[in-house]
Amino acid sequence: EDKVVQSPLSLVVHEGDTVTLNCSYEVTNFRSLLWYKQEKKAPTFLFMLTSSGIEKKSGRLSSILDKKELFSILNITATQTGDSAIYLCAVPLGSGTYKYIFGTGTRLKVLA
Amino acid sequence: NAGVTQTPKFQVLKTGQSMTLQCAQDMNHNSMYWYRQDPGMGLRLIYYSASEGTTDKGEVPNGYNVSRLNKREFSLRLESAAPSQTSVYFCASRGTSGGVTSYNEQFFGPGTRLTVL
Repeated sequence: EDKVVQSPLSLVVHEGDTVTLNCSYEVTNFRSLLWYKQEKKAPTFLFMLTSSGIEKKSGRLSSILDKKELFSILNITATQTGDSAIYLCAVPLGSGTYKYIFGTGTRLKVLA
Repeated sequence: NAGVTQTPKFQVLKTGQSMTLQCAQDMNHNSMYWYRQDPGMGLRLIYYSASEGTTDKGEVPNGYNVSRLNKREFSLRLESAAPSQTSVYFCASRGTSGGVTSYNEQFFGPGTRLTVL
């Protein structure tokens, strides 16, 4: 059965801390993994990692894909209160990429 | 360019009532999706439409029906609402052209918070 598992479920840190969020997957015919940030409403896209790419960076956020151990991590350095959100990872299923399986999400709270 | 829009934003129903959640996108995307989000459960796929004229079941389709009215619009109907359908519902769309990232990225609407009493 295909599954995506995120850890931890929730995390509370102080501004300036560095956090690491984990996403492990067991998916047939894996091709890509996506990270989303969800604040009050809709999830917004952060990164996509494919079987041919292992690291993405955008400012204080970076993500790595480990194809051998079947997981991805999302790092946030020098956290700010604006980083408080739910972080979701998702993996497309099947050759048509029409269906996605999402993890349960990690709820991050950054205290001032 | 509004992206993905959903109506209503909030709704309270009594058990057994019916309602339709509306979703529209103006990005000329082929694929559209309905998810529900419950605490600790992440996003679960209810139904999806790979292209205009087609719909398929997702992970949790029971109690729901969908209609892909045209390329822009994808509605979700609850025929007889149950308290277990209390949730936040998100509509999403995905393009099928452009680079690899564009091909895979889903765009989400703002969500509908539904409570069934």
